[in-house]
Amino acid sequence: SQKIEQNSEALNIQEGKTATLTCNYTNYSPAYLQWYRQDPGRGPVFLLLIRENEKEKRKERLKVTFDTTLKQSLFHITASQPADSATYLCALDMDGGSQGNLIFGKGTKLSVKP
Amino acid sequence: DAGVIQSPRHEVTEMGQEVTLRCKPISGHNSLFWYRQTMMRGLELLIYFNNNVPIDDSGMPEDRFSAKMPNASFSTLKIQPSEPRDSAVYFCASSPGLAAGELFFGEGSRLTVL
Repeated sequence: SQKIEQNSEALNIQEGKTATLTCNYTNYSPAYLQWYRQDPGRGPVFLLLIRENEKEKRKERLKVTFDTTLKQSLFHITASQPADSATYLCALDMDGGSQGNLIFGKGTKLSVKP
Repeated sequence: DAGVIQSPRHEVTEMGQEVTLRCKPISGHNSLFWYRQTMMRGLELLIYFNNNVPIDDSGMPEDRFSAKMPNASFSTLKIQPSEPRDSAVYFCASSPGLAAGELFFGEGSRLTVL
């Protein structure tokens, strides 16, 4: 069965450093991968989508890479700030991009210390 | 623009009672998803609809769970009878279409079954 893992439950870094979060998956070939941010008591909020034919995508201080050979995505936040503290979820499409439903990882809780 | 609206935000009930959770998707979105989030299992897809028609309900845990979408602007998730293990945060999400990728989540309904 499909399996998606985010390698750390929690990640603590110092303000100004680059945070790198990892998402690995097995037994699956997704058409795209997404990253979401979730704050306590709130719903997930979409950040970035990267397709299988894209190696890298950027949005402001965020960068996502997608390696379909390694079955891995890396999510980077450069020049991190305390406001970046949240749980970050990766998600894979379940049906080759045609149905739109997603399977989510359990998330990595990022804490950025001033 | 109003986002996805869920009600109630919090529900505390006793085992055996019926629970109804409600969702109003973003206007114009054709797809609607119900997810459940727990610490142990993370975000799990329960069921999703496209153009008000249920497409996949394989994630619904038991017959005690049912979902309806009588029109494009309203959906319900019902649990009858409820059990303590149903305690979780239930999220509704919508998207413009099945191939759109990005999901827009509501703020969730936190259910506690005593």
